[in-house]
Amino acid sequence: QKEVEQDPGPLSVPEGAIVSLNCTYSNSAFQYFMWYRQYSRKGPELLMYTYSSGNKEDGRFTAQVDKSSKYISLFIRDSQPSDSATYLCAMSARSSNTGKLIFGQGTTLQVKP
Amino acid sequence: NAGVTQTPKFQVLKTGQSMTLQCAQDMNHEYMSWYRQDPGMGLRLIHYSVGAGITDQGEVPNGYNVSRSTTEDFPLRLLSAAPSQTSVYFCASSLQGTVNQPQHFGDGTRLSIL
Repeated sequence: QKEVEQDPGPLSVPEGAIVSLNCTYSNSAFQYFMWYRQYSRKGPELLMYTYSSGNKEDGRFTAQVDKSSKYISLFIRDSQPSDSATYLCAMSARSSNTGKLIFGQGTTLQVKP
Repeated sequence: NAGVTQTPKFQVLKTGQSMTLQCAQDMNHEYMSWYRQDPGMGLRLIHYSVGAGITDQGEVPNGYNVSRSTTEDFPLRLLSAAPSQTSVYFCASSLQGTVNQPQHFGDGTRLSIL
């Protein structure tokens, strides 16, 4: 069983929809949670970072962490065609990258005009 | 400001050949790392470096060597390529390697081993 599970999709939604992307994990020691966005033929870029449980909002994006359920989510409001990309969750038990940063396999999102 | 530059972008090798994937960053970042990305597997850490002269193994280091002689460069060497090393390789850097600092990724090297 993988430490981090993420539905690969693809997920297709119409423009303007609210998108929910999710990851589950098995390691209760994870405290640091990230979402990366990866456009086709490009490297990932950090989108959101959260520590421990709770919500964090940045513009149209909201990251949510539920440590009791070992479940994290990324919500995208008013989705745009430019949001079409692969979204990877990542998490770590330590603040330093010299520990293990574990990535999910990514969910491919397509937002149709 | 170029960020993280990886060369080559594409490469086809025969089994047993050796090659070096180049990675350079111009942001004066101390922390650099190499990942491979395979379908259904996500990104997996191969090797990383916390500064010039210091390297360490990640999750999947077998078959790969690295060195860090300067802050800017972090090459990844395949000594004897195997088909299982067919993948997309990403180099990344960050200021000090803490998770709250964004990792800057290059655009990847797509490597096929025949």
